[in-house]
Amino acid sequence: DSGVTQTPKHLITATGQRVTLRCSPRSGDLSVYWYQQSLDQGLQFLIQYYNGEERAKGNILERFSAQQFPDLHSELNLSSLELGDSALYFCASSVGGGHLPTRDTQYFGPGTRLTVL
Amino acid sequence: GNSVTQMEGPVTLSEEAFLTINCTYTATGYPSLFWYVQYPGEGLQLLLKATKADDKGSNKGFEATYRKETTSFHLEKGSVQVSDSAVYFCALSGGGSNYKLTFGKGTLLTVNP
Repeated sequence: DSGVTQTPKHLITATGQRVTLRCSPRSGDLSVYWYQQSLDQGLQFLIQYYNGEERAKGNILERFSAQQFPDLHSELNLSSLELGDSALYFCASSVGGGHLPTRDTQYFGPGTRLTVL
Repeated sequence: GNSVTQMEGPVTLSEEAFLTINCTYTATGYPSLFWYVQYPGEGLQLLLKATKADDKGSNKGFEATYRKETTSFHLEKGSVQVSDSAVYFCALSGGGSNYKLTFGKGTLLTVNP
């Protein structure tokens, strides 16, 4: 158990809908990262938050957004869903990730499997 | 940008066989290197890591050495078990303020009794 929790474990929805994925980082970790795992794209970095602020952006679609709350949990919002958004979405956390260099390890949650029908 | 290339597999071995999964990388600066493992139906678990050249990461009988001269981080295990069957991902995170992980495509390992 990594200490990172994600809910829900599975999500089935229809095209055009909006969903919210939730992540709670390990105790003491300030950074949260979101990744998407799909068969065709592999594991892709989406976005990082550090202590409530967006820190880095990767291959995240405009239909997707995220935020990190004062209690450091994070939510990933996916809207106008398409069939191709079906994937496993992972959250990871680390202690650092702000403006100072760090070689922290990222610890991953169990993922949320999203199926868009 | 950063990239990771790993042996795609699938790799099928008999129990107690020797395992090597090749991983090479392209990165600016001095990245940290990782191997993550994904067991069936589960999330990613950190297997081992190395943060500087010539470091050797090791865990559960697996080893990998950070080779800057060949930009490689090959995963090895002397004697695999059925329970090692999983997908293995090589990954890097850049130095400086680049914290995101860049992953290879993953290698499916199946170990038969």
